[in-house]
Amino acid sequence: AQTVTQSQPEMSVQEAETVTLSCTYDTSESDYYLFWYKQPPSRQMILVIRQEAYKQQNATENRFSVNFQKAAKSFSLKISDSQLGDAAMYFCAYRSPAYSGAGSYQLTFGKGTKLSVIP
Amino acid sequence: GAVVSQHPSWVICKSGTSVKIECRSLDFQATTMFWYRQFPKQSLMLMATSNEGSKATYEQGVEKDKFLINHASLTLSTLTVTSAHPEDSSFYICSATPFGIMDNSPLHFGNGTRLTVT
Repeated sequence: AQTVTQSQPEMSVQEAETVTLSCTYDTSESDYYLFWYKQPPSRQMILVIRQEAYKQQNATENRFSVNFQKAAKSFSLKISDSQLGDAAMYFCAYRSPAYSGAGSYQLTFGKGTKLSVIP
Repeated sequence: GAVVSQHPSWVICKSGTSVKIECRSLDFQATTMFWYRQFPKQSLMLMATSNEGSKATYEQGVEKDKFLINHASLTLSTLTVTSAHPEDSSFYICSATPFGIMDNSPLHFGNGTRLTVT
């Protein structure tokens, strides 16, 4: 079974500064997908960024980028130019490829990191 | 696109009663839906996988007779908490994946249902 570990329960960042959230995972699969989801106080799960394991290039989405280190099984999220609206719980998630079976689309989540943005 | 609607957003019920939560995919067909449970300040824990036209697959430790799941159509899955007790109070979130999606597509989540059992 896959496991996802987020070792930072809470983080804080000054507005406009950069912060990096850590995530490591354990798997025996070579193909998989990794995601970062944001959960604001409204508790709506919002996709921030995704990464396919077969891609060496790190994914980027505007101010959000990842550092994907497949050999180290590490998938950190970098938020640049932090904004007040970035304050939320951030969850790292793992998903197996579709050919793994019927339940392969299910996500395995880490415990989350609560990010606070200081004005 | 890819909107998932969950209803109700919050519900309070008395101990011993049953509560039904609906999860609808509004603009796509979902052969598979997932039900998660989230305790305060904790992560999402998968409860079960709901497959259209077949029985749900429950995770270890989840009572199938207590958490009844029905996925009768390609756009609707329901979770019924039967004989609810205070320990069932939690935040329940559904998610869905479109039929025939690309392999890297993310799950789309509903807004969640906060259940309080008194």
